[in-house]
Amino acid sequence: ILNVEQSPQSLHVQEGDSTNFTCSFPSSNFYALHWYRWETAKSPEALFVMTLNGDEKKKGRISATLNTKEGYSYLYIKGSQPEDSATYLCAPNAGNNRKLIWGLGTSLAVNP
Amino acid sequence: DSGVTQTPKHLITATGQRVTLRCSPRSGDLSVYWYQQSLDQGLQFLIQYYNGEERAKGNILERFSAQQFPDLHSELNLSSLELGDSALYFCASSVGGGAYEQFFGPGTRLTVL
Repeated sequence: ILNVEQSPQSLHVQEGDSTNFTCSFPSSNFYALHWYRWETAKSPEALFVMTLNGDEKKKGRISATLNTKEGYSYLYIKGSQPEDSATYLCAPNAGNNRKLIWGLGTSLAVNP
Repeated sequence: DSGVTQTPKHLITATGQRVTLRCSPRSGDLSVYWYQQSLDQGLQFLIQYYNGEERAKGNILERFSAQQFPDLHSELNLSSLELGDSALYFCASSVGGGAYEQFFGPGTRLTVL
């Protein structure tokens, strides 16, 4: 896995809006896909680790889907709140002993 | 609190010096990862250890080295420091390899003057 792209780079939404971001990665040699949430002045925090094509995971208002055949994952936030403001990072890896390849993230700002 | 501890929190030193950053993983985690975050850049993976052995290597400079000890804590050694080494250094730990979520420590802020 050589290249990870996240879009959009940044996003501004109003409180209550639902939003989604995309993580694109090469579909060959896929092993796992990680999503992390990184608030300013804090450390990254794991949201999901996904391994199976078609997998869908949910944590509260946040959910993610995975398509390993075409090489993308979507992260959805339903009813955004100001506390959701953070950078959302995805990181696929190609094997158990392989490093994660980190995207540059999508920066989300939720206005009250 | 992730359960991962890093010391020191802040470090200020001069160019040419050597420093050691320390990380204690969560109880039960065997993998330790080191990351660098420079100004306006994303997370750069440096190196991973699993149960004392190097498992994966990223863009780690030759002036940098790391090790994981039998009690599973890890140290990152940075030598011949340059101004450009100023960054936030994160340690993370996980139970195992690539399919396990990583838990990040609070980071060490290194400033090289």
